[in-house]
Amino acid sequence: AQKITQTQPGMFVQEKEAVTLDCTYDTSDPSYGLFWYKQPSSGEMIFLIYQGSYDQQNATEGRYSLNFQKARKSANLVISASQLGDSAMYFCAMRLNTGNQFYFGTGTSLTVIP
Amino acid sequence: DAGVIQSPRHEVTEMGQEVTLRCKPISGHNSLFWYRQTMMRGLELLIYFNNNVPIDDSGMPEDRFSAKMPNASFSTLKIQPSEPRDSAVYFCASSHGTSGTQSTQYFGPGTRLTVL
Repeated sequence: AQKITQTQPGMFVQEKEAVTLDCTYDTSDPSYGLFWYKQPSSGEMIFLIYQGSYDQQNATEGRYSLNFQKARKSANLVISASQLGDSAMYFCAMRLNTGNQFYFGTGTSLTVIP
Repeated sequence: DAGVIQSPRHEVTEMGQEVTLRCKPISGHNSLFWYRQTMMRGLELLIYFNNNVPIDDSGMPEDRFSAKMPNASFSTLKIQPSEPRDSAVYFCASSHGTSGTQSTQYFGPGTRLTVL
């Protein structure tokens, strides 16, 4: 069963605007971690942000924030003030406390338009 | 601090040849992961190690694939014999721990493998 769903294969955003990338997850485990990674065209996987299932507040890292809605099982990534360098694939991932492996979504391709 | 190091960055080989991919995790990290990424299948976990011990190798495609971690600073992924369908980008990642933010995986630059 798919544990991470990213329903937006591609997204476009105007430079300097904010954009939200969707991620929903499926688990009955009460303890888990959620992660977002960026993969630019150069290919490397870059860690962006982490949210723990017990964290009371939404995680933020610079221009990145995670809109965590536990009841809806969603962990959307919000990028504020988009820059051309934000154009990349973005992957959502989940780690369950029952193991150490990550479950990755299929990714969303973001294009920032000048 | 040095990140995860992988070598080679690119490998082109012919079908039937043995291929060895190498990974040096971040110093102090005790978990290591091997992934394969293709357009068709996305990012797949092949195997992961905790404290040099293989924990889950259920993602290893078949007996042609093997992975070792002889010490905390080195791991190899071997394909023997290689086939064209093995062509992919292979990533190595490491994490410091197994819970909370310490479970964050940091990826190497990847090895792009092409099997002709």
